[in-house]
Amino acid sequence: DTGVSQDPRHKITKRGQNVTFRCDPISEHNRLYWYRQTLGQGPEFLTYFQNEAQLEKSRLLSDRFSAERPKGSFSTLEIQRTEQGDSAMYLCASSWGNWLTFGSGTRLTVV
Amino acid sequence: QQPVQSPQAVILREGEDAVINCSSSKALYSVHWYRQKHGEAPVFLMILLKGGEQKGHDKISASFNEKKQQSSLYLTASQLSYSGTYFCGTEGASGAGSYQLTFGKGTKLSVIP
Repeated sequence: DTGVSQDPRHKITKRGQNVTFRCDPISEHNRLYWYRQTLGQGPEFLTYFQNEAQLEKSRLLSDRFSAERPKGSFSTLEIQRTEQGDSAMYLCASSWGNWLTFGSGTRLTVV
Repeated sequence: QQPVQSPQAVILREGEDAVINCSSSKALYSVHWYRQKHGEAPVFLMILLKGGEQKGHDKISASFNEKKQQSSLYLTASQLSYSGTYFCGTEGASGAGSYQLTFGKGTKLSVIP
């Protein structure tokens, strides 16, 4: 059990560019979640998968955000046409139905 | 709706006790508690489920008043390692068991020698 891994740890991008983040969950966990956290706030739910199926997506989430989990293993989160308001820590978490185990996150800075 | 946590911040001396409260305006299925140290991932502490079931660490206790939609986290005989920001995450009945959590803004706990 190596925990939840996220890559990259930091990403600086220019406004309007596309970015993609990767999450590798704990191998036996069938559920995978994406949360977003800004300074001084708790994590905000974005979307989650059970195996390869995306079961829920936050209604607050822009259409510029898309996530995939091919074959029910790793997941990617893509943000198209980034905006300064997208700057945040993007946290991935996995679970097998008990509690969430979070990764260390990808910090995105849009300049 | 985002749950409300209180206090926003608290400073304790080693060995003192603290209570962190979490209150929601909607009916809850479960309350989850996490601790996050600066620059690190949130770490699971406790789950409290409607009906009284609890899962979590032996050294931390919590309560869940289903009728009032409130939960409290009890930290006793605090240690320096307890320092961090504590978040409650709530799950409504509609998403029961899915762990789509709505987190509060957190309570920053500082333990000093």
